[in-house]
Amino acid sequence: DAKTTQPPSMDCAEGRAANLPCNHSTISGNEYVYWYRQIHSQGPQYIIHGLKNNETNEMASLIITEDRKSSTLILPHATLRDTAVYYCIVRVIKAAGNKLTFGGGTRVLVKP
Amino acid sequence: NAGVTQTPKFQVLKTGQSMTLQCAQDMNHEYMSWYRQDPGMGLRLIHYSVGAGITDQGEVPNGYNVSRSTTEDFPLRLLSAAPSQTSVYFCASSSHEPGQGYYGYTFGSGTRLTVV
Repeated sequence: DAKTTQPPSMDCAEGRAANLPCNHSTISGNEYVYWYRQIHSQGPQYIIHGLKNNETNEMASLIITEDRKSSTLILPHATLRDTAVYYCIVRVIKAAGNKLTFGGGTRVLVKP
Repeated sequence: NAGVTQTPKFQVLKTGQSMTLQCAQDMNHEYMSWYRQDPGMGLRLIHYSVGAGITDQGEVPNGYNVSRSTTEDFPLRLLSAAPSQTSVYFCASSSHEPGQGYYGYTFGSGTRLTVV
């Protein structure tokens, strides 16, 4: 699975959009980009995933560059409850056991 | 509520004791996994299963056993507890590969294990 690079931390103002970058310059054509978050002491929560096209759901939007070497998770209107560690994960389709490899993530602090 | 249920939520063991962490899901998911998370660290995969009767090792399998006799249950056994196994353990399940109706992995709320 391709490695990912994320900033270790970032702050965001409540009510503003939070843009979380992820670099995956070694991604290959059969690898998806996934985003999960982990709110303090809880199990990780799936947010969104994508392959090539931009994706949007009720939680967030995922923007993937045309060369697929980086992506951005957008939380459109951050709330205090969005304070969490956000993980960007890249893995192949039909990876053995459907397993995920978690890196260090970005610790996001949403401030009032 | 549908989801992944882990028991117990907290456990203290003495070095050398054995125990089983329970994980059950009621979503008919094929894939199940066990992760551990040490303080301030990301999650590391211990063991995983792609269906009943099929298990395999992850990144850090030593000291742990698993079995998958039913689709619903995926217990994790600590054979002889060591202080290095002090961690938070998460169980997770997933239905299938990305595509229509894919909602990612569903994680349990964790078991906080301390080995003294």
